[in-house]
Amino acid sequence: EVQLVQSGAEVKKPGESLKISCKGSGYSFTSYWIGWVRQMPGKGLEWMGIIYPGDSDTRYSPSFQGQVTISADKSISTAYLQWSSLKASDTAMYYCARHKPGLVPGGMDVWGQGTTVTVSS
Amino acid sequence: DIVMTQSPDSLAVSLGERATINCKSSQSVLYSSNNKNYLAWYQQKPGQPPKLLIYWASTRESGVPDRFSGSGSGTDFTLTISSLQAEDVAVYYCQQYYSTPPFTFGPGTKVDIK
Repeated sequence: EVQLVQSGAEVKKPGESLKISCKGSGYSFTSYWIGWVRQMPGKGLEWMGIIYPGDSDTRYSPSFQGQVTISADKSISTAYLQWSSLKASDTAMYYCARHKPGLVPGGMDVWGQGTTVTVSS
Repeated sequence: DIVMTQSPDSLAVSLGERATINCKSSQSVLYSSNNKNYLAWYQQKPGQPPKLLIYWASTRESGVPDRFSGSGSGTDFTLTISSLQAEDVAVYYCQQYYSTPPFTFGPGTKVDIK
């Protein structure tokens, strides 16, 4: 079964760092782009960025460039999203998802279950 | 960046009736070289991650009921649920994945039962 399994919920204080994970299984992890999507409480979906685990090519939305870092360790089929200094406004659900393959990454066909990040003093 | 808009923000439809959601992109998402529209539709139910319904604007994802259909080209697209079922209550999002990221989502349309 193709699946993405994300790490568990996190509760952090402002200024702390955080790295959440997304582990792929059931397919060739290095052959598909993995994207990250933010959903703030009660709000819509925001596309943050993508990484191609095969060569670690990474692209960011301008809205998130410099705010987060996307990485991957292909040896353990895991992608990461990290923050160096969290803010209260980072409180959200974060999803990873696999993009359909192609010359341009396609629709997001497999989704993780989501990781809730709560930042509060 | 390409900006996506959706209309209406929400709609209520009787069971068995048709639901129509519109999505508009600020620039064309049609690639002339392959004649494909780089547009996807997703369904998100409360407490669940989104689910891909449609890609290439009109290709149904495997396992998606055929009451869901996508149409349109260029900048104007439509998701139609031909006969609304109770399990279709959800928020629906369009997304463009044309060329260079970001691959922006629309704001979403909430579908309820009337």
